[in-house]
Amino acid sequence: QVQLLQSDAEVKKPGASVKVSCKASGYTFTSHYIHWVRQAPGQGLDWMGLINPDGGGTSYASNFHGRVTLTRDTSTSTVYMVLSSLRPEDTAVYYCARPSTPYSSSSALFDHWGQGTLVTVSS
Amino acid sequence: DIQMTQSPSSVSASVGDRVTITCRASQGISSPLAWYQQKPGKAPKLLVYSASSLQSGVPSRFSGSGSGTDFTLTISSLQPEDFATYYCQQANSFPPTFGGGTKVEIK
Repeated sequence: QVQLLQSDAEVKKPGASVKVSCKASGYTFTSHYIHWVRQAPGQGLDWMGLINPDGGGTSYASNFHGRVTLTRDTSTSTVYMVLSSLRPEDTAVYYCARPSTPYSSSSALFDHWGQGTLVTVSS
Repeated sequence: DIQMTQSPSSVSASVGDRVTITCRASQGISSPLAWYQQKPGKAPKLLVYSASSLQSGVPSRFSGSGSGTDFTLTISSLQPEDFATYYCQQANSFPPTFGGGTKVEIK
């Protein structure tokens, strides 16, 4: 079955960077784009960006102002999300998500999600 | 970006009640409209896609409808396991955007 397994919770200081991983299994890794969505405590869902595991092409939400970088390792079927210049307001649960439609950069309806990774930014 | 506005932000209901949640888009969108259910500490779960298609395994008491700018999610007979927060999401254009959520609470 399809699984997206994320790395454990992180605590970071303001100004630092965090790297969160999302390991995919149960399907062909390069067949589906992987998206990242974050959720601040008690808040809604915000789309951050996507990566095409087949080739590594990326697209990011403009409101992160270049602070997000997505990469992938096809040998381990893992996608990485790095968020830099952390601020306290970046405290959130970060999710990776897989859209239902393969091989599509425009598909963004998510039928599989990782379990979430809590990133806490505090001095 | 397309703004998605949900109402109400919360609703108190009893088991067996019919619950309707609405979602309005800031501009007309075509079918890629989804509804998700999220329980505390868990990832969102896809319930409805293409505005009215039920995801596999989702109980038939859930239904979605709407087009253009106005969409609804209806739970025909609320069950104990349905108490959760519900989000709409448009995937008509990038970036994909979500509504603010509707919390369904026990009355």
